[in-house]
Amino acid sequence: NAGVTQTPKFQVLKTGQSMTLQCAQDMNHNSMYWYRQDPGMGLRLIYYSASEGTTDKGEVPNGYNVSRLNKREFSLRLESAAPSQTSVYFCASIQKGGQQVLNTEAFFGQGTRLTVV
Amino acid sequence: AQSVAQPEDQVNVAEGNPLTVKCTYSVSGNPYLFWYVQYPNRGLQFLLKYITGDNLVKGSYGFEAEFNKSQTSFHLKKPSALVSDSALYFCAVRDRNSGNTPLVFGKGTRLSVIA
Repeated sequence: NAGVTQTPKFQVLKTGQSMTLQCAQDMNHNSMYWYRQDPGMGLRLIYYSASEGTTDKGEVPNGYNVSRLNKREFSLRLESAAPSQTSVYFCASIQKGGQQVLNTEAFFGQGTRLTVV
Repeated sequence: AQSVAQPEDQVNVAEGNPLTVKCTYSVSGNPYLFWYVQYPNRGLQFLLKYITGDNLVKGSYGFEAEFNKSQTSFHLKKPSALVSDSALYFCAVRDRNSGNTPLVFGKGTRLSVIA
């Protein structure tokens, strides 16, 4: 009963390096989300995928790209990491999405703590 | 655009006293409202939600929240606080009448329950 699994849990990058954060859910949810959490800023949406094959920008998409590889997996890529991207990243999934009304809660992964030096 | 405001960064309460964590929201249509809790170095855990129906919603760990449409509020409450309730609490909203819009979160309120 894994729920939402994120890898890695911790990562240190040098400025300019690239990396991909992985997220997988085993609940057959349609919608998946990437948030970042910074002190005093709450959770800010980076990108989301309402259903397999679709992705949309959130509040803070600059510097990131995403891939909805299949229904289970939604990855977040930093092409050229910057210190401003030091944050805790959370992936979430929700049962309903697309044109259906969302009426269930989101399930979150344990987070990836990323430091860019 | 939808938004959530949590006006208090920090709430301190003595153990055994009632607690309230405030949340107000803004959506163009009718809201779905949620409360989540985050313990240190953990992800967010769902506490409760308002979808429709009774304005008083009961959730996990003895928490409840009251939906007030006229005041656009969804305050989180608990009659008797425990030290173990100390954590970061997030309110979230989604417009019920929109298609693909995601959950929008407030900035969080840190609850500290003092023994």
